[in-house]
Amino acid sequence: QVQLKESGPGLVAPSQSLSITCTVSGFSLTSYGVHWVRQPPGKGLEWLVVIWSDGSTTYNSALKSRLSISKDNSKSQVFLKMNSLQTDDTAMYYCARNLDYWGQGTSVTVSS
Amino acid sequence: DIVLTQSPASLAVSLGQRATISCRASQSVSTSSYSYMHWYQQKPGQPPKLLIKYASNLESGVPARFSGSGSGTDFTLNIHPVEEEDTATYYCQHSWEIPPLTFGAGTKLELK
Repeated sequence: QVQLKESGPGLVAPSQSLSITCTVSGFSLTSYGVHWVRQPPGKGLEWLVVIWSDGSTTYNSALKSRLSISKDNSKSQVFLKMNSLQTDDTAMYYCARNLDYWGQGTSVTVSS
Repeated sequence: DIVLTQSPASLAVSLGQRATISCRASQSVSTSSYSYMHWYQQKPGQPPKLLIKYASNLESGVPARFSGSGSGTDFTLNIHPVEEEDTATYYCQHSWEIPPLTFGAGTKLELK
């Protein structure tokens, strides 16, 4: 069945960078796009970026300068990197296939 | 960017009654064939779950008590009859243009 699983560092110091991996199974990254969405504690959902099946990317313009997405089709992994983290980047980060199947999320706290 | 305004922010409904959640887009998200509006359910500690896509199409496995309607700028999610397991936060999301995809602020459904 379709599964997505995020893995990340948990805690990131302010001004540092964040790297999260989304490992998928049950489908091919060459056939589906994968989105990243985040949710600060107690707040709503914010769409970040998508990497399409052909490898092209579309970013949230407000965060584009700080985000980078890539993937390894052979390993069924999608990689998200965010630079210059601040406390308001503290959130649950989700990857989702076409926004129809979602991972459980990885919690990221930005704190010194 | 398209802004999605959900109302109400919260509502309390008795078991077996109807819950109605509205989502208004700042511009039309419909063509003559499709409405690019989708609905999610999120329970505490869980990722969002896609309930309805393209305004009125129920995802596989979603109970028939959930229904969606609307076109243009005004959309509605109905739940009838409400069951205890339906307590959650509900989000609308458009895919009319990207970037960015945006979500509504959410509607928290509780039992009276």
